[in-house]
Amino acid sequence: EAQLLESGGGFIQPGGSLRLSCAASGFTFSGYAMSWVRQAPGKGLEWVSGISDGGATYYGDSVKGRFIISRDNSKNTLNFQMNSLGADDTAIYYCAKEVSAGGIPLFDLWGQGTLVTVSS
Amino acid sequence: DIVMTQSPDSLAVSLGERATINCKSSQSVLYGSNSKNCLGWYQQKPGQPPKLLIYWASTRESGVPDRFSGSGSGTDFTLTISSLQAEDVAVYYCQQYCGSSTFGQGTKVEIK
Repeated sequence: EAQLLESGGGFIQPGGSLRLSCAASGFTFSGYAMSWVRQAPGKGLEWVSGISDGGATYYGDSVKGRFIISRDNSKNTLNFQMNSLGADDTAIYYCAKEVSAGGIPLFDLWGQGTLVTVSS
Repeated sequence: DIVMTQSPDSLAVSLGERATINCKSSQSVLYGSNSKNCLGWYQQKPGQPPKLLIYWASTRESGVPDRFSGSGSGTDFTLTISSLQAEDVAVYYCQQYCGSSTFGQGTKVEIK
């Protein structure tokens, strides 16, 4: 069964950094683009970043220059380095599998999410 | 960025009745490569991640009950639940995926 499992969330002070990871299993990870989608408490969904099968990266305006997405196909792992965190970054962060190798950010598999709370 | 606007924000429907959710995009979401609309619908139940229901505006994802259907083209789209069941209580999101990705604000569906 295909599965995504996020880790690394937690409580962090404003200006701090956090690294999220997503472990993939049950499908050929290297053949698909992956994304991070976040959801602030009680709010809607916001796509924040994506990476193609070959490593091309994409960012939403709200995180560009602060967050870095990467992948390790040898370990079936997606990573997300989050820097200069602010209160607006407080959210559940979902790892999501795209339906193709890249260019079509439609998500057919989601992890359970990891909560990031930015507060002093 | 393409802005997606859903209506209504919430609706209450009796069991067995039809539920209709609308989604409007700020510009056309026609995908050049296949002339289809890059419009998807997701269902999110409390405490769960979203689940893909519909893609290319009208194609049902494998395993999704046929009471869920999608329609529309260009900038105006609709998700219809033909006969609401108790397990359909959720928030529904539309999403455009033409290159980048943006979601509507969500529509909460409840039982009347």
